[in-house]
Amino acid sequence: EAGVVQSPRYKIIEKKQPVAFWCNPISGHNTLYWYLQNLGQGPELLIRYENEEAVDDSQLPKDRFSAERLKGVDSTLKIQPAELGDSAVYLCASSLGAPLAGEETQYFGPGTRLLVL
Amino acid sequence: GNSVTQMEGPVTLSEEAFLTINCTYTATGYPSLFWYVQYPGEGLQLLLKATKADDKGSNKGFEATYRKETTSFHLEKGSVQVSDSAVYFCALSGGYSTLTFGKGTMLLVSP
Repeated sequence: EAGVVQSPRYKIIEKKQPVAFWCNPISGHNTLYWYLQNLGQGPELLIRYENEEAVDDSQLPKDRFSAERLKGVDSTLKIQPAELGDSAVYLCASSLGAPLAGEETQYFGPGTRLLVL
Repeated sequence: GNSVTQMEGPVTLSEEAFLTINCTYTATGYPSLFWYVQYPGEGLQLLLKATKADDKGSNKGFEATYRKETTSFHLEKGSVQVSDSAVYFCALSGGYSTLTFGKGTMLLVSP
C-alpha cells in the first residue's frame, strides 16, 4: 500500500514569492492534516480536513497561508507571500477517520523542506 | 490544554546498551499515546501506540506502557543498534484526533 505522498521534497524561494505544496493521502483516508515542523521542534498542526471540509484551521495564519482539498482527496497548501520565518518542514499526514479506536493513527509523508532566502 | 514533555537529548549510547526515553503528558480525558521516529531527512514513522491505560505498545524491540497514574509513556529498548539513531517523538491524541507532540529526543548510537 502506498504511503502519503508529498511534493516537492525540497523548495528554495526568495522572500515575498509564492509557494505551494501538494499532498496525496493514503487511499481511503478521509482525514488529512498539514503540520509545520520547525528545526528541533515537534510538528504543530496547521489545518485538519474531514473529507473536503476544513474542520480545524485555528492555527493557520490566514493572512498568508491557504489550503484546499478538492474532492476530498489531494490537498494543496499555499503560502503567499513567503517570509524568512516560513523556512521549515511542512508535513502532511492522513488517517482513516475520526477518533474511533484504531482509526485515529496518523501516517506521515516525507515532508517538504522549505528554505526562504 | 494538552501537552507532552520529553527528556532533552541528545541521548548517546553504545550499541547493545539499554534505552529509556522519558515522556510525560498532561491531558483531559483519556488520550491515546504514540511514539513516532524520524530518521534524518525523512518524515515521521509510527513506532508504537497505546490507546488505554496499562496497554503496552511494542514494535521492533521498542516498548512503552501507558501509565495513567503517573501520566507517563516511557520508551524502552533492551539493546539498541546503530540503525536506531534518529529523533523520537512522543505524542498524544486528544478528543478531536489532533496530535500534540513533544519536542523530540535525539538518539545517537555508536558502534
